[in-house]
Amino acid sequence: NAGVTQTPKFRVLKTGQSMTLLCAQDMNHEYMYWYRQDPGMGLRLIHYSVGEGTTAKGEVPDGYNVSRLKKQNFLLGLESAAPSQTSVYFCASTTSGRPGRDTQYFGPGTRLTVL
Amino acid sequence: AQSVTQPDIHITVSEGASLELRCNYSYGATPYLFWYVQSPGQGLQLLLKYFSGDTLVQGIKGFEAEFKRSQSSFNLRKPSVHWSDAAEYFCAVGDLDTGFQKLVFGTGTRLLVSP
Repeated sequence: NAGVTQTPKFRVLKTGQSMTLLCAQDMNHEYMYWYRQDPGMGLRLIHYSVGEGTTAKGEVPDGYNVSRLKKQNFLLGLESAAPSQTSVYFCASTTSGRPGRDTQYFGPGTRLTVL
Repeated sequence: AQSVTQPDIHITVSEGASLELRCNYSYGATPYLFWYVQSPGQGLQLLLKYFSGDTLVQGIKGFEAEFKRSQSSFNLRKPSVHWSDAAEYFCAVGDLDTGFQKLVFGTGTRLLVSP
């Protein structure tokens, strides 16, 4: 049982390049989330999904897109990377749609640098 | 809007000494409160959570937290710190008021443990 995994662990991009971050969970969780973590700002919710085939915007969705084609996977895409997107990205999942109440299970993070 | 304040950015504690990390929240009703720990290079892991009932909550790794409604606080404590406790600690409150419930994180406190 691997829990929540993220690929890749590190990535460096040039401004304007695109990339996709992959999150996978093997706990059969319905709900999945993408956060970014910036110094002095805690974690902020980018996008989330309440089930296979669904996605929704969080607090800071601009510049990102997501897809949830399979229940176990949640992809975060950057179409045209900007230096402001330099951050650590975390994926998380919960069993139900109560992220304000339920335990969230986090992946190890992806450190992205945009030059 | 709900918010969480962790007033200490860094704290250094000697190994074997006691620890208290401060957390203050802003929330109108009875809050759902969490403490997460992030070890270097790892994702966040739940230490403990408070929903209702006994205001002293026990968590993993010997941590406890006390909910004080009158002070809007949920401070994390440990009687004797171990070197392996060096990590970043995040307090969070469940935002249950919006259509989609989410966690609101504090900015984190980095714990350094000196020998």
